[in-house]
Amino acid sequence: DAMVIQNPRYQVTQFGKPVTLSCSQTLNHNVMYWYQQKSSQAPKLLFHYYDKDFNNEADTPDNFQSRRPNTSFCFLDIRSPGLGDAAMYLCATSKIRGNQPQHFGDGTRLSIL
Amino acid sequence: DQQVKQNSPSLSVQEGRISILNCDYTNSMFDYFLWYKKYPAEGPTFLISISSIKDKNEDGRFTVFLNKSAKHLSLHIVPSQPGDSAVYFCAAKKETSGSRLTFGEGTQLTVNP
Repeated sequence: DAMVIQNPRYQVTQFGKPVTLSCSQTLNHNVMYWYQQKSSQAPKLLFHYYDKDFNNEADTPDNFQSRRPNTSFCFLDIRSPGLGDAAMYLCATSKIRGNQPQHFGDGTRLSIL
Repeated sequence: DQQVKQNSPSLSVQEGRISILNCDYTNSMFDYFLWYKKYPAEGPTFLISISSIKDKNEDGRFTVFLNKSAKHLSLHIVPSQPGDSAVYFCAAKKETSGSRLTFGEGTQLTVNP
C-alpha cells in the first residue's frame, strides 16, 4: 500500500547529541511536512517542502533543520537536542498545496536523556 | 496564540448514541476546515472536511457543521461505535497560506459498548 513511513518509531538520544529522523513516502506527493507534537498539545508545523522549495515556520528554532534529497525522502535533523525537544515528530505529505488532505506517518517518539 | 481550540479534552458516549465534538477558531481568514482521527501509536488520518462556503458536509455516519458567524465547527458521529474511540483533531487553513494547517489540541472520544 502507498503510504508515509517514519523511521525509527522510537528514538532515544543524549542531551546535545545530533539526531536525524527519517520519513519516506510512496505516494509521489509534492509536499512533505514535519510537525512536532508534545503531550496533549496540538501538532505544530515546523517546516515543509514543496518539491525542493523549503518553507520554514517563523518560530521554528534554528536547532531544527531539514533535508529533502529526492521526492520520496525527507529528513529532520536536530543539531543539539535539548530536554524540551522530547516529543512526537510527525511527517505528512500532500499532493499539492491547497485543499488536499495531508497523509501522516505514524510518527517518531523522541526521548532525550 | 492558539487560533484553533478544542475545549473538551475528552468525551464519553454510549454506543449507538450521537457524539458531538466541538472546535472554535479565532482567525476569520481560515477558509477550509478538516477533522482528523488518531488511534494510539498511529498517525492522524483524514476524516472529513468542509469549505467556508458551505455550512454542512456529510459522509456516512460523519457530518461536519460550520457556523462562520460564531467561528465554530462541530463533528457529529451517529450512531457512535466503539471503533470510533480515538483522539479527534480539528484543523484549519487559510487560502493565502498554501496547505499549512493549524491544529487544535484534540478531543479523546470514548464510545462505551
